[in-house]
Amino acid sequence: DAGVIQSPRHEVTEMGQEVTLRCKPISGHDYLFWYRQTMMRGLELLIYFNNNVPIDDSGMPEDRFSAKMPNASFSTLKIQPSEPRDSAVYFCASSPDRGAQHFGDGTRLSIL
Amino acid sequence: AQTVTQSQPEMSVQEAETVTLSCTYDTSESDYYLFWYKQPPSRQMILVIRQEAYKQQNATENRFSVNFQKAAKSFSLKISDSQLGDAAMYFCAYRQGNTGKLIFGQGTTLQVKP
Repeated sequence: DAGVIQSPRHEVTEMGQEVTLRCKPISGHDYLFWYRQTMMRGLELLIYFNNNVPIDDSGMPEDRFSAKMPNASFSTLKIQPSEPRDSAVYFCASSPDRGAQHFGDGTRLSIL
Repeated sequence: AQTVTQSQPEMSVQEAETVTLSCTYDTSESDYYLFWYKQPPSRQMILVIRQEAYKQQNATENRFSVNFQKAAKSFSLKISDSQLGDAAMYFCAYRQGNTGKLIFGQGTTLQVKP
């Protein structure tokens, strides 16, 4: 079985540019999660979806961040405009109802 | 609000020895799940073991086992016969039964000495 697939693996871009991170969850999983990991703040939950519907976006830092899940097999996390403090590793994870979360390999984002 | 605490930022163990990583949590819920994840330098988040709160029996996965003390709200991970490949950051995580949300501890970095 394919796991959670994230793209790109690495992204380097300049401040002010739009960044789009992509995620394909495991087929059949009802939940999808976006996390951000930094040395200072550890793992932070940004937003999660249940059956494609956003349930809790209280972790989204500010209006520059947005996430969508147009269908059960695809989600995006967008940052516009990007800032150097957004540099981090962004993880997508999916899980079945009441199951363990399975993580993608993450996207290392660097904003110059 | 639920919280998860890992009080050991770093631990080390000799290869082939046993090590225990600590985790405590705070909740008023009765239905929940607990997990340990491993994050090696490759940065992948790998599920190590899970425990359902309603199960009294401690979960075991090969060399990994947990000591789940529900009343004490403690969930420690024991790694037996430690191997060099066990070196990683280990995260304890809590999930409420009725939501998908995971709450992570701060992590414990495990060093395995040859």
